[in-house]
Parts: sequence; C-alpha cells; structure tokens
Amino acid sequence: KAGVTQTPRYLIKTRGQQVTLSCSPISGHRSVSWYQQTPGQGLQFLFEYFSETQRNKGNFPGRFSGRQFSNSRSEMNVSTLELGDSALYLCASSQDRERFGYTFGSGTRLTVV
Amino acid sequence: AQSVTQLDSHVSVSEGTPVLLRCNYSSSYSPSLFWYVQHPNKGLQLLLKYTSAATLVKGINGFEAEFKKSETSFHLTKPSAHMSDAAEYFCVVSPFNAGKSTFGDGTTLTVKP
Repeated sequence: KAGVTQTPRYLIKTRGQQVTLSCSPISGHRSVSWYQQTPGQGLQFLFEYFSETQRNKGNFPGRFSGRQFSNSRSEMNVSTLELGDSALYLCASSQDRERFGYTFGSGTRLTVV
Repeated sequence: AQSVTQLDSHVSVSEGTPVLLRCNYSSSYSPSLFWYVQHPNKGLQLLLKYTSAATLVKGINGFEAEFKKSETSFHLTKPSAHMSDAAEYFCVVSPFNAGKSTFGDGTTLTVKP
C-alpha cells in the first residue's frame, strides 16, 4: 500500500515568487491536512480538507491557500513568498483521524532565498 | 477548546534505561489522543493511539502510554531506551467533533550510549 506522497521533496524559490506543493494521500483517505514545520515555531497547522471541502483552517495569512480534488489529491499554494516561509511542509492523510490518526508524508523542504 | 502541553522540551536518557515523555491535555469533549515520532528530516510516524477503549495503550517499538482522565495525562513510556529511539516526539489531541487536531510543541529525546 503506497504511503502519502509529497512532491517535490526539495524546492528553492526566490522571494516574491509563488509555489505549489502537491500531496497524494493514501488510497481511500478522504481527509488531507497540511502543516508547516520550522525550528522556531514548531508544527503549525495550515488547513484540513475533507471530500474537497476545507474543514479547518489555521492562522496563516491569505497568501497560503489550498485545495483538494475529487480524487482526494491536494495542493497548497503560497504566493508572494517571504524568507520566513522557508520550512518543511508536511501533508497528512487520514481515513478517520479520530479513530486511526494521520499518516504523514516525508514533506517538502522549501527554501526561500 | 482544547490544548496539549508536553512538559519537557528535552529529555536525555542512557541506553537501556526507561523513557518517560510527559503530556497533559485539556479538551471540552472526550478526545482521541496520539503520540507521533519524527526522526531527523523525516515525516511523523504514528506510535500509538487512545480512542476510548483500553486506558493502557501499546504501540510500536516497545512504547506504551496510559490515559489518565483524572490527571488529564497521556504519558509515553518505554522500559528500555535504544539508540534508535533518539527523535522528536509529539503528543496530539483530536476531538470527536471534526475540529482540528492540536499538536504539542514536541519533546526531543536524546539517548546516550
């Protein structure tokens, strides 16, 4: 059974650019969540999607957006990149998170220069 | 409202000695509780979960945790630490009302030879 796949694994972008990260959940998982992880702030929740609808949202500016497709794959987009957006972005999928928890991908390491 | 407090940001043990990572939570509802482990430059892996069944929960790699409602705690233990246990550990609370999960700040476990 394939795990959660995040692409790309590494990314270097210039300040002011925009970026799109992709997440393919485990087959059958309808919930996808995104997290930002930095040494200073730890794990910060970005948003959660369930069956193409945003179910929960964290406290991030509008530059951060996401969506989920009918096949449960999800993308997140960050526009007008800032140096502080450099982080590991983690995607997690779940069949029923209250009962089974999440399965995480390996993350996308974004560096903004 | 819910919150998670991991009481120690760093724990250091010698190989072969017991491990105790402490987690307290608060929740308006009966929550599900989880422990995840993250090795350097990797995603998070589910260690174990409590979902209102047995209060003593066994997980992978010899870890276990006990849910104590009266103390609102969910401490993670292992009888004998191994070098490969060195990692960061996260305690997570997930409500049953589809609200977002809350992650603790993490505890870094160091295992000395």
